[in-house]
Formats: sequence, structure tokens, C-alpha cells
Amino acid sequence: GENVEQHPSTLSVQEGDSAVIKCTYSDSASNYFPWYKQELGKRPQLIIDIRSNVGEKKDQRIAVTLNKTAKHFSLHITETQPEDSAVYFCAASINSGGGADGLTFGKGTHLIIQP
Amino acid sequence: DAGVIQSPRHEVTEMGQEVTLRCKPISGHNSLFWYRQTMMRGLELLIYFNNNVPIDDSGMPEDRFSAKMPNASFSTLKIQPSEPRDSAVYFCASSLSVWKTVNSPLHFGNGTRLTVT
Repeated sequence: GENVEQHPSTLSVQEGDSAVIKCTYSDSASNYFPWYKQELGKRPQLIIDIRSNVGEKKDQRIAVTLNKTAKHFSLHITETQPEDSAVYFCAASINSGGGADGLTFGKGTHLIIQP
Repeated sequence: DAGVIQSPRHEVTEMGQEVTLRCKPISGHNSLFWYRQTMMRGLELLIYFNNNVPIDDSGMPEDRFSAKMPNASFSTLKIQPSEPRDSAVYFCASSLSVWKTVNSPLHFGNGTRLTVT
């Protein structure tokens, strides 16, 4: 089955600086890569996703890049703000039949924004 | 839409007791997922259903765990008998799955925090 590795487990950055979280996946058939943000005591919520026919996607201060050859993808957050503090999860799935079938999640990155 | 609804929010029970977690997916969604979250193991997929049919239950830890989806608007995850190591947050999630088209995002419920003493 799919295996997703995520690094780092904890990331501390100064407010206003950029943060980068990296993930690798094992199954070359995976073609859907979402990122979720989970605030303390709350549910994971989708913040951005990318499909394997796209190399990069951007939404305001967040962007995701995908390198299919190397089987890795990254989340970039620019101009970080205190409300960005949370745990971020990457995930991968094989969309052989449509839908978010069996997403495999990374272990998460605890992002801390220092004032 | 009210989103994915889970109950109860918190459950405290003694070892050996039966525990039933409940989930109502978003109306119109036809895929439903049960995840377990712990500090040590992160988010683990336990089982998922498509059109009320279990598709993959390879993540179910052992026979003490069972899940059902009797109709499109309701699912249960049962643990019998419960053990302290089952303590975790259990999330239900749903999505719309359409054959050979793009994925739809996974929407999570607020989770059930289970504590087995």
C-alpha cells in the first residue's frame, strides 16, 4: 500500500517568514495530493490540493508543488501569521475510480509561528 | 449544510465495555471513511465505504472493531470489547466519489474522543 513520509515533525518560524513542509510518497500510481490543516482540538480541514497532471498550484499565501518523478510534494506558506499555527497533514491517494478513495496521511507537521 | 455529524463528542468507558460511535455524512456524499488519530500513529484509515458497501477494511486493527453503513445517511463504528489502547480520537469523513472523474475533497466530522480506562 501507499506510504507517506512527512518532514519536519515540528517547524518553528518567525512571523512574516516562509514555511516549507515536505512529503514523499511510495506508490507511483498515486495521483491526488491534498493538504489538511488541523487546529488544536478541531477537525482536519482541506486547505489546498493538487493532482498529478499539475506541477504547482497557488492560493493566496499558500502553494503546493509536485514532483512526480521524485515522488515528493511540498507545501509553502509565505508571510506567515499567528493564525497559521496548527498541525499540517499531507496525504496521497490513488484515484483509480474517482473520489478520495483511501487517503493515506503523513504523520503531520506542527507549525509554530513565533511573534 | 451541517457538515459531517459525529456523536458522541466524548466517550469515557471502562475496559471490556462495548462502544458505538455514530456518523452522519454530508447529504449527497457516497463515500464514507473512518479514521483513528493518536499522537503515536497519526491519522490511520480504518475502513471506507462507497455507496454503503465496505471497500477496504484492511485498516481495522482486529476483530474487536466492526463498522456498518445500513443506509446512505448513517454509519457506526463499534468496538467490543474495548481496551485502553483503543483510546484515541475517531474521525468520520465523507466525500462524493464519481467513477473516473476528479476527486472531491474529504470533509471531516468533529471527531469522537474515546477514553477507555
